[in-house]
Amino acid sequence: RKEVEQDPGPFNVPEGATVAFNCTYSNSASQSFFWYRQDCRKEPKLLMSVYSSGNEDGRFTAQLNRASQYISLLIRDSKLSDSATYLCVVSDGGATNKLIFGTGTLLAVQP
Amino acid sequence: DAGITQSPRHKVTETGTPVTLRCHQTENHRYMYWYRQDPGHGLRLIHYSYGVKDTDKGEVSDGYSVSRSKTEDFLLTLESATSSQTSVYFCAISEFQGRLGEQFFGPGTRLTVL
Repeated sequence: RKEVEQDPGPFNVPEGATVAFNCTYSNSASQSFFWYRQDCRKEPKLLMSVYSSGNEDGRFTAQLNRASQYISLLIRDSKLSDSATYLCVVSDGGATNKLIFGTGTLLAVQP
Repeated sequence: DAGITQSPRHKVTETGTPVTLRCHQTENHRYMYWYRQDPGHGLRLIHYSYGVKDTDKGEVSDGYSVSRSKTEDFLLTLESATSSQTSVYFCAISEFQGRLGEQFFGPGTRLTVL
């Protein structure tokens, strides 16, 4: 089983749609959780950290369910500029808290 | 954007030659990382540094070495490049570890080993 699993997609959605990405992780000792976005041939960029209470940043909402070892990202009112690969990232639970990256979910927002 | 640069941005080399990639930061962050990204794999950690002259191995360290003689510079060396090391290499920095340990990435280096 992979340490961090994501549906690779692609998710093809029309502008204005709401889209949800899910991610599961295998290490119950993980303490830090993030969503990054990566545009084609570019570096990953931090989108948001994920907290146990859930958090929202504009059109983006992230949720964490520790019991099910599950993280989600919800994007409302999708824009063309949201088209990218979304990476789920989880810490390894070790003393140095190294990060484990999922392979990403590709989102294509259509006009 | 975090002040991270990588050089070179693109390189083509031949099997058996040594290659050094440079990561330079202007943020004075303590932690620096080297990753590689390949299709079908998430970013995989090669080596990381938790201070000047303090480095440790990551998940895929075989065939790679690193050095950090200054806070701002982290060098990755492929001692004898092989075709399996063709990849995109990203450097990352973070100020903290733990729950505030967000990492910020450089623009990447595309390396092709023929």
